Amino acid sequence: AQSVTQLDSHVSVSEGTPVLLRCNYSSSYSPSLFWYVQHPNKGLQLLLKYTSAATLVKGINGFEAEFKKSETSFHLTKPSAHMSDAAEYFCVVSDSSGDKLTFGTGTRLAVRP
Amino acid sequence: KAGVTQTPRYLIKTRGQQVTLSCSPISGHRSVSWYQQTPGQGLQFLFEYFSETQRNKGNFPGRFSGRQFSNSRSEMNVSTLELGDSALYLCASSLVGGGPTDTQYFGPGTRLTVL
Repeated sequence: AQSVTQLDSHVSVSEGTPVLLRCNYSSSYSPSLFWYVQHPNKGLQLLLKYTSAATLVKGINGFEAEFKKSETSFHLTKPSAHMSDAAEYFCVVSDSSGDKLTFGTGTRLAVRP
Repeated sequence: KAGVTQTPRYLIKTRGQQVTLSCSPISGHRSVSWYQQTPGQGLQFLFEYFSETQRNKGNFPGRFSGRQFSNSRSEMNVSTLELGDSALYLCASSLVGGGPTDTQYFGPGTRLTVL
């Protein structure tokens, strides 16, 4: 069975400073990994996904994530936070068939002016 | 291209009633998955439909059921509602629901409140 662990439930940064949201995964096969973002009272939006093509994945809105097999990590980063980045972020792994997604518990990102 | 749509957006029911939620996938997508989101349990997979067949199922009681129509639209039904069923129900669609290149796109959700 696959699982993901988001290491921080809350992260607070100042606008213009870097963002790091941490995620470790567990999987018995080569996983597909995703980051989704959820703004208040909204659905989930895909930020980026890893499917073994390249270990550094670039997503929307300046976010990127690096797949590190040796560390079983898939951390999400952004060089400079914007107020509009304040939201909840989910690290997600799919099962081997790709049908079923398993979500982490989420990290709430706050951005201070 | 229009995104995933879910109706209704908000719903209030009382215990013991049943409810039906609807999801229209992105045009051309044939796989529809349903998820429940609650503060206590987070996001949990309910089931996935492809070509009108349930292909995958999460760990939910039989009160939760679904179906998919020939146009790929899907409905989810919850019978004998309990207070704990209050949640945001999210629907996601993808082209074929599998493989490394497929991606699930989510709708805005239906907020169900059970009183």
